[in-house]
Formats: sequence, structure tokens, C-alpha cells
Amino acid sequence: QVQLQQWGAGLLEPSETLSLTCAVYGGSFSGYYWNWIRQPPGKGLEWIGKINHSGNTNYSPSLKSRVTMSVDTSKNQFSLRLNSLTAADTAVYYCARGTGEVIDPWGQGTLVAVSS
Amino acid sequence: QSVLTQPPSVSEAPRQRVTISCSGSSSNIGKNAVNWYQQLPGKAPKLLIYYDDLLPSGVSDRFSGSKSGTSASLAISRLQSEDEAIYYCAAWDDRLNGWVFGGGTKLTVL
Repeated sequence: QVQLQQWGAGLLEPSETLSLTCAVYGGSFSGYYWNWIRQPPGKGLEWIGKINHSGNTNYSPSLKSRVTMSVDTSKNQFSLRLNSLTAADTAVYYCARGTGEVIDPWGQGTLVAVSS
Repeated sequence: QSVLTQPPSVSEAPRQRVTISCSGSSSNIGKNAVNWYQQLPGKAPKLLIYYDDLLPSGVSDRFSGSKSGTSASLAISRLQSEDEAIYYCAAWDDRLNGWVFGGGTKLTVL
């Protein structure tokens, strides 16, 4: 059964860059696309973007100018970088697998707080 | 403001049935599959329904999904206290070229 495990820095200052990585265990890496989704405290879910094993990306228009996603197929890992952080980027960030029209499963989530 | 519209909250008594609606448009629900997720406090969302009305392995058959036009619904029968959670709908949006979510519905079992 596939599992996603994610990690990255949890406390950042304004203008810094968020960097998170998600590792995929127990399943194929190719043939799927890999998503990043975030959830501000007490609020709903926001899709950030996706990447496939070939490195083809698709970003949310609202975040496109600040987002970079990458993959490392040798390690079955994919990563998210979000630059020029502000307090509005404070959220729990999730990685998740996509196939067809389904997103599942999800990683455990990483709380990223942006504060000076 | 979320692209998909859900009621902020619903409530019902134990052993009863409740439905949660999700309204979208022709570019998302009207054209693509709807997924439903259950989120417990402090946890990642869990897939409940996919492709409008399919149940993942291990999910209770008390949960069911349906779709008509640009709206979808999640029904939960024989309510239990453990069903208290926030429920989200999601679909791919062809116009935005991305995934969109509902704002979430908090279910309270009275």
C-alpha cells in the first residue's frame, strides 16, 4: 500500500522560501501525478499544483509566479518550493498522489508558519 | 471564496441520514468526476467517494455519493458520533486547469 511521507522546515520568515519534500513508499512513482495542496489554519483546501515523473508541471494560476516543483525519480521523491513568503502562506501543506480524476492518498501534512 | 459551494454546517441526530451538497459549474462538476473527503481534526483528508459514486475499499457503505448536472451530494446514513468531521468535495476544473475544492461542511451529530 502506497504511503507518502513529507518533511521540511516548519517556521520561516517573510520573504523566505518554503521547501518541502515528499517521499513515495510502497508503490509506483511513474504513471501518476503528484500534488501539493495546502490548508490555512481553520480554512479549506487549496490546490497548489502537480508534477509527473517526467517533470511536467501544472501550477495554480494564483501561485504560479512563486511556485517551483521538481521530482527525483531515483529516490521516488518530489518537492515544492514557494518563494517570497508572507503570513498568508501559513498553512498545513500536504503532498498527495493523483491518478485520473482522483487525489489519494495524502501525506501526513506539514505545518509551515511564516512569522518574523 | 471556494469554487465549489458547500453548506458551512449540517447537523442531524444519531441513526438518521444526512446529505451534504456541493454545487459547481459546467467546467468542473458538470464535466469531471467528484470526489468527497472526510477530515478529522489534525488529520489529512481521507477519500470517501471517488468518481462521483464509488466507494474506496475499506470505507463504510453508510457513505454514498451522487451527481446530477453541476451538483453533487454526499449522503451519510445511520449516523454515528464518529462521523463528526469536516467533509470536502473536489473536482478538476477545465477552465482553471486545476483542482478545486468546496469550502467544507462541518457535520455535527446531535
